[in-house]
Amino acid sequence: ETGVTQTPRHLVMGMTNKKSLKCEQHLGHNAMYWYKQSAKKPLELMFVYSLEERVENNSVPSRFSPECPNSSHLFLHLHTLQPEDSALYLCASSHDPGQGDSPLHFGNGTRLTVT
Amino acid sequence: QKEVEQNSGPLSVPEGAIASLNCTYSDRVSQSFFWYRQYSGKSPELIMSIYSNGDKEDGRFTAQLNKASQYVSLLIRDSQPSDSATYLCAVTHAGAGSYQLTFGKGTKLSVIP
Repeated sequence: ETGVTQTPRHLVMGMTNKKSLKCEQHLGHNAMYWYKQSAKKPLELMFVYSLEERVENNSVPSRFSPECPNSSHLFLHLHTLQPEDSALYLCASSHDPGQGDSPLHFGNGTRLTVT
Repeated sequence: QKEVEQNSGPLSVPEGAIASLNCTYSDRVSQSFFWYRQYSGKSPELIMSIYSNGDKEDGRFTAQLNKASQYVSLLIRDSQPSDSATYLCAVTHAGAGSYQLTFGKGTKLSVIP
């Protein structure tokens, strides 16, 4: 299997639930990202990990908790979400930007609905 | 705040015509520029990257960069209905190793058969 794989593809959860999104990349990349895509808004960077170290955290509420156990896997743990958190959550990976040309490769996303 | 601006469209062009998509950015020292295509319900996919002033061609796609004007564009020649999608412009901020890639809201392109 190649590319960036995300599971689940769709998730419906109540505001009191706890769930996790999973991402796996098979591209040999060093950096992994979580983005949020809401209707009529630009893609918003949430977290970046490089070599399993978190290097960016863009003022994301604590109800979103990332985890990167190794350079191929990334999780987003969800807890006590709000309806406005409903969106498409995209995982991406890239080579370390310090190495030059490092475009993002995206997974297919998880469509999250918070009820 | 670093911004990337795109006309949201929809931009409608007839099949076989040239589609011209434009993007401006606010960070004067931005270094890398990307165009992503996103079909409805799908994730973005990279179609072009450009790093220096001028034109870069790849098949029917041409990216154009003018750093002095802080402007990057994407031309699609011989547009096909399969090109109908939202096109996202993305720009990296200055600084080696910067992970910040700022996206525009995207331009929706519709190619009419």
